[in-house]
Amino acid sequence: LAKTTQPISMDSYEGQEVNITCSHNNIATNDYITWYQQFPSQGPRFIIQGYKTKVTNEVASLFIPADRKSSTLSLPRVSLSDTAVYYCLVGDMWGTNAGKSTFGDGTTLTVKP
Amino acid sequence: EPEVTQTPSHQVTQMGQEVILRCVPISNHLYFYWYRQILGQKVEFLVSFYNNEISEKSEIFDDQFSVERPDGSNFTLKIRSTKLEDSAMYFCASTRARDSRSYEQYFGPGTRLTVT
Repeated sequence: LAKTTQPISMDSYEGQEVNITCSHNNIATNDYITWYQQFPSQGPRFIIQGYKTKVTNEVASLFIPADRKSSTLSLPRVSLSDTAVYYCLVGDMWGTNAGKSTFGDGTTLTVKP
Repeated sequence: EPEVTQTPSHQVTQMGQEVILRCVPISNHLYFYWYRQILGQKVEFLVSFYNNEISEKSEIFDDQFSVERPDGSNFTLKIRSTKLEDSAMYFCASTRARDSRSYEQYFGPGTRLTVT
């Protein structure tokens, strides 16, 4: 499984756009990139998933450059309720490691008023 | 919105005792998982389960652990002889069949296991 590296923590203010970058230099051809959010004492919650270029849903965007060795989760106009830990996962959805999600240390995002 | 449920929310047990953690995955999901998270640490994969058998397991999932799907709705994690270091939050998760979003795992609220 590809190892991921994220910043340990980030601070932001309400209404700002937040970009969290994840490095995954050893990403394999079949690997997808998935981001989860976790609040204290709760289970992780799926945010977004992508393979290449850009993916956007109602809560976030995911930017993946052509070499796929990194990805950036973009949260538009964050609010206090976006304070959480954000995890980047890289893995093969179809192969023998499918489902064996390896959560890294995550990025603790703190949104301030 | 359908959700994964887990019971109990908090389990306190003495070292050496057996515990069973219960999960009800989302009804049309076919893949089931257990994870654990020791306080202040990252989420760790334990085991995945598909078609009534273990698909993958981590090094943590030793002979003290077992999983079962005793009926069409429950998915359980058993720890035969608990140790102090088993104290953690245990999360159950499930996904649908292998489609384009199969990596979207739905997590339950967790069971906090405290071993004394």
